Amino acid sequence: RKEVEQDPGPFNVPEGATVAFNCTYSNSASQSFFWYRQDCRKEPKLLMSVYSSGNEDGRFTAQLNRASQYISLLIRDSKLSDSATYLCVMRFGGGSYIPTFGRGTSLIVHP
Amino acid sequence: ETGVTQTPRHLVMGMTNKKSLKCEQHLGHNAMYWYKQSAKKPLELMFVYSLEERVENNSVPSRFSPECPNSSHLFLHLHTLQPEDSALYLCASSQDYGPNTGELFFGEGSRLTVL
Repeated sequence: RKEVEQDPGPFNVPEGATVAFNCTYSNSASQSFFWYRQDCRKEPKLLMSVYSSGNEDGRFTAQLNRASQYISLLIRDSKLSDSATYLCVMRFGGGSYIPTFGRGTSLIVHP
Repeated sequence: ETGVTQTPRHLVMGMTNKKSLKCEQHLGHNAMYWYKQSAKKPLELMFVYSLEERVENNSVPSRFSPECPNSSHLFLHLHTLQPEDSALYLCASSQDYGPNTGELFFGEGSRLTVL
């Protein structure tokens, strides 16, 4: 089983829709969790960190479920500019600090 | 001035060539990374340097040779590559490398094509 798994999509949604992605992980020692955004032919950029209590940044909400070993990203009121690939990233414990990436979930927001 | 700059942005090379990718960060960070991004695959970590010391080497073939002369510069030397090495090579930096490793800042990448 891969360490970090994401549904590659694409998720094709109309403007204004609410869309959610999950990312599952297999290493229960995972310590830090992040969502990055990567636009087409661009580099990844941090979207938001994911905290144990859940956190919100405008239209974006990130949550962590340790019991079921997944993180989620919810996007409300989707905009055309939200079209991108969303990468989940986590850092495992046990002395390894390597940020490990999922393969990304592609989101396409259409008019 | 962008935080992390990579050169060249595009590189085409034959299997017998020797070339180098360069990365420079202007953020005062202590850790730098090389990642490989291939189509339909997750980013693969290749190397990590912290305070100019290599701290991770992720089973990368010896035809890839990293060099970190100081905390601001990172090179990836390439020789006798294979066509399957064609990919986007991303450099990144973070403030530190350790229990509190935070955000990674990426360069725009060097797109490599091996003929």
